[in-house]
Amino acid sequence: QVQVVQSGAEVKKPGSSVNVSCKAFGGTFSTHSITWVRQTPGQGLEWMGRIIPMFGVTNYAQRFQDRLTITADKSTSTAYMELSSLTSEDTAIFYCATEMISKGADNWGQGTLVTVSS
Amino acid sequence: QSALTQPRSVSGSPGQSVTISCTGTSSDVGGYDFVSWYQQHPGKAPKLMIYDVTRRPSGVPDRFSGSKSGNTASLTISGLQTDDEADYYCCSYGASYIMVFGGGTELTVL
Repeated sequence: QVQVVQSGAEVKKPGSSVNVSCKAFGGTFSTHSITWVRQTPGQGLEWMGRIIPMFGVTNYAQRFQDRLTITADKSTSTAYMELSSLTSEDTAIFYCATEMISKGADNWGQGTLVTVSS
Repeated sequence: QSALTQPRSVSGSPGQSVTISCTGTSSDVGGYDFVSWYQQHPGKAPKLMIYDVTRRPSGVPDRFSGSKSGNTASLTISGLQTDDEADYYCCSYGASYIMVFGGGTELTVL
């Protein structure tokens, strides 16, 4: 059974960066990608990007391209999402999930609340 | 890439069937058989219910089914149960495997 566990809630100042971790238990790191999704308060889901840890390949949504970096550490089965130049509009829950590309995100983390406030 | 279009809300009574539509373009829904659907209960993470337009992950009841015609995909839930009350999101892959979600549909079981 695959389990995905994310790091805890964060409070950040405008203009700063946030780094959220995502650890996958259950051996999927070698066969799956890790995808990141943002959900702003009361709003829908928004895909941010993904990494294929086996190859270190990343894809980013165009709107995040300039300030999003996704990395992965295969030795610990952990992926990281860094979002920079934060504004209040980035206040959201960030989810990571394992994904077989084209077949959807099948195992989700619990979500990480990031609050951006001065 | 623009979000896919879903109705904001649908409703049905227990035992009935409901269908949620998801309209995109030939660059996403219409161009690839890679549509998925997610269920999200309040305060919870999304759950994959359908992938590859029609396929169900292990453990998802066969009351949930998916289809597609042209640029519009649909999720049908038959034999509605109170626990089906949730938000539902469609998602399609596009060029370069970019994912695009719909705006979400709130399902109310009356």
